[in-house]
Amino acid sequence: DTGVSQDPRHKITKRGQNVTFRCDPISEHNRLYWYRQTLGQGPEFLTYFQNEAQLEKSRLLSDRFSAERPKGSFSTLEIQRTEQGDSAMYLCASSLTSLAGVPDTQYFGPGTRLTVL
Amino acid sequence: AQTVTQSQPEMSVQEAETVTLSCTYDTSESDYYLFWYKQPPSRQMILVIRQEAYKQQNATENRFSVNFQKAAKSFSLKISDSQLGDAAMYFCAYNTDKLIFGTGTRLQVFP
Repeated sequence: DTGVSQDPRHKITKRGQNVTFRCDPISEHNRLYWYRQTLGQGPEFLTYFQNEAQLEKSRLLSDRFSAERPKGSFSTLEIQRTEQGDSAMYLCASSLTSLAGVPDTQYFGPGTRLTVL
Repeated sequence: AQTVTQSQPEMSVQEAETVTLSCTYDTSESDYYLFWYKQPPSRQMILVIRQEAYKQQNATENRFSVNFQKAAKSFSLKISDSQLGDAAMYFCAYNTDKLIFGTGTRLQVFP
């Protein structure tokens, strides 16, 4: 068990550019979550997948944001036309949820810190 | 909508002493999970302790224990025998399908 990994760990980009982040969950976990954390705040939910299906998206996820989990394994989060307000830590988490839908503990990756200049 | 409130932005404790971090939440559901996560400076979020709402017994993990008061919607974390390595941001979180976090409490530990 290697834990949740995220790549890159840091990303600096100019306003208006597109960026893509990758998350690799714990291998047997069927749920994958994306959160955004700004300085001094708790993480805020963005979206989550069960296997390859995207089950919920937050209102925080504007149409410039898109997430995929094409084969139910790794996931990507893309931000198009980045804005300075997108600067934050983007956290990925995964969990193993039973068929009955009982949520289990979410395990977090180290995050990707995005800075938009 | 569910909300989580941590009213203590900062707390401090002396090494080997005990400290309690407060958390309250609001929900209309009867079955849910509550968590405390620790986030050391520039390091990733790690689970401290978990409580299932249907369990009356308070969860305990080594030096960490909770005081879960379901009727009062209160979920405090007690850290006993505090160590320098306990210094971090502590987040209380409520879970149905997704985690809803409080704003965190920064814990400082003094030698």
